[in-house]
Amino acid sequence: EVQLVESGGGLVQSGGSLRLSCAASGFTFSRYNMNWVRQAPGKGLEWVSYISRSSSIMYYADSVKGRFTISRDNAKNSLYLQMNSLRDEDSAVYYCARPYYGMDIWGQGTTVTVSS
Amino acid sequence: QSVLTQPPSVSAAPGQKVTISCSGSISNIGNNYVSWYQQLPGTAPKLLIYDNDKRYSGIPDRFSGSKSGTSATLVITGLQTGDEADYYCGTGDSSLSAGHWVFGGGTKLTVL
Repeated sequence: EVQLVESGGGLVQSGGSLRLSCAASGFTFSRYNMNWVRQAPGKGLEWVSYISRSSSIMYYADSVKGRFTISRDNAKNSLYLQMNSLRDEDSAVYYCARPYYGMDIWGQGTTVTVSS
Repeated sequence: QSVLTQPPSVSAAPGQKVTISCSGSISNIGNNYVSWYQQLPGTAPKLLIYDNDKRYSGIPDRFSGSKSGTSATLVITGLQTGDEADYYCGTGDSSLSAGHWVFGGGTKLTVL
C-alpha cells in the first residue's frame, strides 16, 4: 500500500524548534519530488516547502523562508522538515504530500502547536 | 488571503448539481494544470481531479473538472450526503511572490 506517515509534531514554545518526519512506503521514494503542506486550525491549505528527488532543488513559502529547512534521506525513504524560530502562526497540522499529477498521496498529518 | 479565489460555501440538495469556481492569474492557473482536493471533516485532503479535467483513480464520474484561461471549475452531480466536505483547488505558480504551489481558500459544500 502506498503510504506516507508523518511524525514529530507536538507542543513547543514560541521561538523553539521542532523536526518533522515523513516515512514513505509502497513506492520508490527516490523517484518522486515531495512537498510539505500545512493547515492552521479552521483554515485552508497552505503549501510550505518542496524538495526535488535528488535534493538539488528546494522551494519555500515566504512565510517560512529562512526558518524552515526541508530535507530527505532516500536511503531511509524519509522526508524531513526542520522548523526553527517557531511562531504562533506556525501552529497547524503538517502534511507531507507527493506531487505527482497534482498531489496524489497525502499523509494523515502531524499537529504542531506553538505556545507563547 | 489565498492566491486562488474560491467561494467560501456552496449548497444544494441531494441529487442536484453544484459548481465550485477557482479564479487565479496568468502566473498560476493560466500556465499550469489545476487539481482539486476533497477534505472530509477531520481527515487529510484527497485528490479528486488532476491536469484540469482528469479524474484520479477511484473517483466517480459524478466529479468533473474544467479550465478556461485563468479560472477552473469543479462540478459535482448527483450530490450525496457523503459529499459534504471542504474542496480546494491547487496549481503551480511561477510568480516569485507566491512560491512554488498555491491553493484556493477552500469551499465548504453543504448537502441540504
